[in-house]
Amino acid sequence: EPEVTQTPSHQVTQMGQEVILRCVPISNHLYFYWYRQILGQKVEFLVSFYNNEISEKSEIFDDQFSVERPDGSNFTLKIRSTKLEDSAMYFCASRHSGRNEQFFGPGTRLTVL
Amino acid sequence: AQSVTQPDIHITVSEGASLELRCNYSYGATPYLFWYVQSPGQGLQLLLKYFSGDTLVQGIKGFEAEFKRSQSSFNLRKPSVHWSDAAEYFCAVGAMDSSYKLIFGSGTRLLVRP
Repeated sequence: EPEVTQTPSHQVTQMGQEVILRCVPISNHLYFYWYRQILGQKVEFLVSFYNNEISEKSEIFDDQFSVERPDGSNFTLKIRSTKLEDSAMYFCASRHSGRNEQFFGPGTRLTVL
Repeated sequence: AQSVTQPDIHITVSEGASLELRCNYSYGATPYLFWYVQSPGQGLQLLLKYFSGDTLVQGIKGFEAEFKRSQSSFNLRKPSVHWSDAAEYFCAVGAMDSSYKLIFGSGTRLLVRP
């Protein structure tokens, strides 16, 4: 069964460093999402992406964040200059154009020191 | 504003007992509703979904949920809980008037007593 994959599973970085989180969505899906979950809190929407552009973003998704689909399979989230409060689990999700449900990857745990 | 409330932070049940996890939503239009489960260190797995039609929906692992428009609720149920059901459960509403983003509740952690 196809699934969403994410790498790395855990990333540790120093404050101020750039990080890139990678996702491989399900191959025939066209809609892509990033969510984050700060430890002990709810899952929060960050951004949605379709047809090579952002379709919606939340207040969390400020200028420090960017997303990209660099090729036909990967979908990345970049944090330009990480802050301590960026420490969280980041989930990628994808959705088929004819369906309403999103399928989530296993997440990347980002720890900013 | 769209929101999802899961009033129970933790629930403990004995193995074999029945389970009901509560979820209330606030959404202006007909909601698309989901339940996801997250085992420790794992991602989010879709248990079931409601879009329209029959208000009682069946999901994986023996779970079901009932949509009650009058109560703005979408409670998750299971008649007999197994130890492997211990996990965190998230209710979500899909914002189908925008990018289909999901708005999650704060989750309910289920503990199962042997």
